[in-house]
Amino acid sequence: QVQLVQSGAEVKKPGASVKVSCKASGYTFNRYGVSWVRQAPGQGLEWLGWISCHNGNTNYAQKFQGRVTMTTDKYTSTVYMDLRSLRSDDTAVYYCAKEKDGSVFSPFFDHWGQGTLVSVSS
Amino acid sequence: DIVMTQSPDSLAVSLGERATINCKSSQSVLYNSNNKNSLAWYQQKPGQPPKLLIYWASTRESGVPDRFSGSGSGTDFTLTISSLQAEDVAVYYCQQYYSTPFTFGPGTTVDIK
Repeated sequence: QVQLVQSGAEVKKPGASVKVSCKASGYTFNRYGVSWVRQAPGQGLEWLGWISCHNGNTNYAQKFQGRVTMTTDKYTSTVYMDLRSLRSDDTAVYYCAKEKDGSVFSPFFDHWGQGTLVSVSS
Repeated sequence: DIVMTQSPDSLAVSLGERATINCKSSQSVLYNSNNKNSLAWYQQKPGQPPKLLIYWASTRESGVPDRFSGSGSGTDFTLTISSLQAEDVAVYYCQQYYSTPFTFGPGTTVDIK
């Protein structure tokens, strides 16, 4: 069955960087893109960006351009999200999410990771 | 950016009764090329990631009970739970995937009356 398993919780200071991993299994990794979505405590969902697991192409939300980098490792079927210059308002649960239809760029998400809590505090 | 709004913010419905959630986008999410609306609905329970219920505005995801249905086109959409069950208590989000940044509604909390 499809699984996305994320790395564990992180505690960071303002200005630091965090790298969250998302290991995929149960499907052909390079056929589907993966997005990262975050959820601040008690808040809604915010899309950070998308990466193609076929060729590594990315599409980042303008809000995060310059601060976020998404990469893949096809040998381990793992997607990474690196967020830099962390601020307190980056405190959130970060999810990776697999798009359901890999044939068109229309990311809606049929499988999600369990979430990784990133806490940013001095 | 396309702004998604939802109404109501929360609703309480008796078991077995209908629950209706509305979602509105600030611009049309209808793809002319395939005549499909780029709108999905998710259910999120506490401590869990969201679960896909509906995509292309009205296509039910595999395994989702048929009491969940989606409708609408252009800018106005509805998620209907035809007969509320206890396990449907959750927050429901709509999402547009018409253009980046892909955006979500603020969520609607459904509870039992």
